[in-house]
Amino acid sequence: DQQVKQNSPSLSVQEGRISILNCDYTNSMFDYFLWYKKYPAEGPTFLISISSIKDKNEDGRFTVFLNKSAKHLSLHIVPSQPGDSAVYFCAASVRGNNRLAFGKGNQVVVIP
Amino acid sequence: NAGVTQTPKFRVLKTGQSMTLLCAQDMNHEYMYWYRQDPGMGLRLIHYSVGEGTTAKGEVPDGYNVSRLKKQNFLLGLESAAPSQTSVYFCASRAAAWPQYFGPGTRLLVL
Repeated sequence: DQQVKQNSPSLSVQEGRISILNCDYTNSMFDYFLWYKKYPAEGPTFLISISSIKDKNEDGRFTVFLNKSAKHLSLHIVPSQPGDSAVYFCAASVRGNNRLAFGKGNQVVVIP
Repeated sequence: NAGVTQTPKFRVLKTGQSMTLLCAQDMNHEYMYWYRQDPGMGLRLIHYSVGEGTTAKGEVPDGYNVSRLKKQNFLLGLESAAPSQTSVYFCASRAAAWPQYFGPGTRLLVL
């Protein structure tokens, strides 16, 4: 049973525009959420995270929004750059649980 | 700091052969993880460890064994490889708090 879902597996966006990635979850016990970025033939790298006590976290061009009532989070990349072309994974954890639940990933292609 | 390293980077096995994948981290992290990534499946947890000498099963543990004899190393073993174990394997580690940090991966092909 997929607890973290990423629909719309691929996204193409023009350089300079906004990329929006969405993630839905089913477990209301999740209290910490992370986004990872992955280039081909490399390991995932941590991008940004958010605690359930917040509804927004920003780091440079990356902003994550959390809507707990809808069990939904999104990642905004503004402005998008060609180097942002990668697969993005959403992940979530329950406090005290030592594991992350991952979504299946979204492919982003930024067109120069 | 090298971070998380994985050995080997690529390996081809025949069905029934055994092998061990090595993960090493130099960040003094307590927690270590083994994942596999398959097309369309995302990252699935195989086994993990919350400290030296401890291991626990993840969501897809069958056909794999692990050991954490030293804090900095986490070994993933395949006793009798099967074609279904063809995958990319990632190791990760973390301190008490998230996030976890991933290694570069090991590509395994089982014929």
